[in-house]
Amino acid sequence: GAGVSQSPSNKVTEKGKDVELRCDPISGHTALYWYRQSLGQGLEFLIYFQGNSAPDKSGLPSDRFSAERTGGSVSTLTIQRTQQEDSAVYLCASREGTGDIQYFGAGTRLSVL
Amino acid sequence: GQNIDQPTEMTATEGAIVQINCTYQTSGFNGLFWYQQHAGEAPTFLSYNVLDGLEEKGRFSSFLSRSKGYSYLLLKELQMKDSASYLCAVTQGGKLIFGQGTELSVKP
Repeated sequence: GAGVSQSPSNKVTEKGKDVELRCDPISGHTALYWYRQSLGQGLEFLIYFQGNSAPDKSGLPSDRFSAERTGGSVSTLTIQRTQQEDSAVYLCASREGTGDIQYFGAGTRLSVL
Repeated sequence: GQNIDQPTEMTATEGAIVQINCTYQTSGFNGLFWYQQHAGEAPTFLSYNVLDGLEEKGRFSSFLSRSKGYSYLLLKELQMKDSASYLCAVTQGGKLIFGQGTELSVKP
């Protein structure tokens, strides 16, 4: 596919469970971002990977949130011990190394019951 | 810190022109983006302004004044399909800082 792919598109979980969200960036894009969009809120930056550099984790809201990027491509966002306030749409974006434009996936809608 | 403001909602008529404003106060500003997001879909890129002035791209134009911390998105010849959320974002250290988005409703 030509675009950023995220899976699953929807995830319903129970409070206290762990969840993993996946992002497949555009092939060849070296930068990858995770954002969160809560109901009625703007997109909130979570974490940013650029090549082999240490990720910018400054937006992660708590230590329950973590992310990995394996082989410089696919990324997984993990939320441990989910809480109801974690319910949101989690969006992934990727960017060419020398480019400016971030290209977004359609997101994963997470509902914590 | 960062502060990005845009109106929450706007309504306009099909065929008309609408201007969506965005003001910002940030440190380390590099440029300003506008994205369009239809409900349940991915945000899609509309424009990127780095220098002051107006950039025109078909029915959509974007303006930036760095000294005033101000941008607007101008949509001409509105169509029903333009009903969407319009997101203003500034670049900071490689990441995007977003405003809350403006929900535009186009009425017949």
